[in-house]
Amino acid sequence: AQSVAQPEDQVNVAEGNPLTVKCTYSVSGNPYLFWYVQYPNRGLQFLLKYITGDNLVKGSYGFEAEFNKSQTSFHLKKPSALVSDSALYLCAVRGGNTGFQKLVFGTGTRLLVSP
Amino acid sequence: IAGITQAPTSQILAAGRRMTLRCTQDMRHNAMYWYRQDLGLGLRLIHYSNTAGTTGKGEVPDGYSVSRANTDDFPLTLASAVPSQTSVYFCASSDYRDGELFFGEGSRLTVL
Repeated sequence: AQSVAQPEDQVNVAEGNPLTVKCTYSVSGNPYLFWYVQYPNRGLQFLLKYITGDNLVKGSYGFEAEFNKSQTSFHLKKPSALVSDSALYLCAVRGGNTGFQKLVFGTGTRLLVSP
Repeated sequence: IAGITQAPTSQILAAGRRMTLRCTQDMRHNAMYWYRQDLGLGLRLIHYSNTAGTTGKGEVPDGYSVSRANTDDFPLTLASAVPSQTSVYFCASSDYRDGELFFGEGSRLTVL
């Protein structure tokens, strides 16, 4: 069965500092990995995805994520956090040989960036 | 602006009543999905449709039904609402197999 773990319910960082939001996964076959962001009372917005290719993926708003196959991780990173980055971040995964209806989401990590 | 439109934005409903949440997309995506989001449980798939005329059950389909008469519309119906169906409901769509999901703004449903 596919699963995603986001071990931190909340991450606190100061503006200007680097941030990391952790995600580990379990799938059969090659993983398709995604990060989404959700602002309060809004829908989810796509940030970035890993399907194949370079392990470091760059996405929207200066975010990037590194795929690590040996550690089955796909941590989200940003070199310098902004207060406006404060939101809920959700990691999602599906196996490469499954349909999109098999996409599994993590429970999310709330990022709070303080001024 | 292209995207997904959900209606209503918010609704309070008495238990036992029938309710349909509407979802329309203008991106001509083949696949559409309904998720519910609950605190501590994340997003869970209710029903999906890979193409017009077909639907499938997700992780939590009981108490819900869907139809996909055309490419653009994917309504979700609660035949007889119960308090456990209080949640935020998100409609989403995707185009090609590797593509990301596009989400609507959500419908907040409270069943009393």
